[in-house]
Amino acid sequence: DAGVTQSPTHLIKTRGQHVTLRCSPISGHKSVSWYQQVLGQGPQFIFQYYEKEERGRGNFPDRFSARQFPNYSSELNVNALLLGDSALYLCASSGITGSTEAFFGQGTRLTVV
Amino acid sequence: GQQLNQSPQSMFIQEGEDVSMNCTSSSIFNTWLWYKQDPGEGPVLLIALYKAGELTSNGRLTAQFGITRKDSFLNISASIPSDVGIYFCAGENYGGATNKLIFGTGTLLAVQP
Repeated sequence: DAGVTQSPTHLIKTRGQHVTLRCSPISGHKSVSWYQQVLGQGPQFIFQYYEKEERGRGNFPDRFSARQFPNYSSELNVNALLLGDSALYLCASSGITGSTEAFFGQGTRLTVV
Repeated sequence: GQQLNQSPQSMFIQEGEDVSMNCTSSSIFNTWLWYKQDPGEGPVLLIALYKAGELTSNGRLTAQFGITRKDSFLNISASIPSDVGIYFCAGENYGGATNKLIFGTGTLLAVQP
């Protein structure tokens, strides 16, 4: 079975640009969460979506937005990129919203120059 | 953002040695999780703990959920070179239909053959 898949794996953007990251959860999983991991730190929670509805939001500015599609895949969008947005962006899926066993994808490494 | 305190920050050991690391929080959690992350990859779930006092094993790994619900530890017995990586604890309080993991600062493990 395929695990959590994220695309692209790497990308480089310029300050002020916009970026869209994509995630496909494990088949049958309905919950997707996004995390930002800055080098040398643990992941920080950005969003959780379940059944296409936002269920939680971390302490991130409004430049960060996300959505979940009917097939449970998800997109994370970041507008007006700053140098500090450079990080590994991780997507995690879990079976039901009550399940705490989150499984992570390999991440998207975003570099803002 | 909020991060849990993990110690030690790093460990350099010989193959075959046992390893112990712990994680503490100022607030209580209903669930503790332990993840391992290799460079450039997403975290991989090792062990999940759901009850205070619970002791759970997964092969050479053993983890315990602290009685106070504010701490957890992970032991690795008879370490091998493939144990190298960064180990993260994560706490979670499921509430309001949100699964938000709070991660620790990480413990870097290096194993010398």
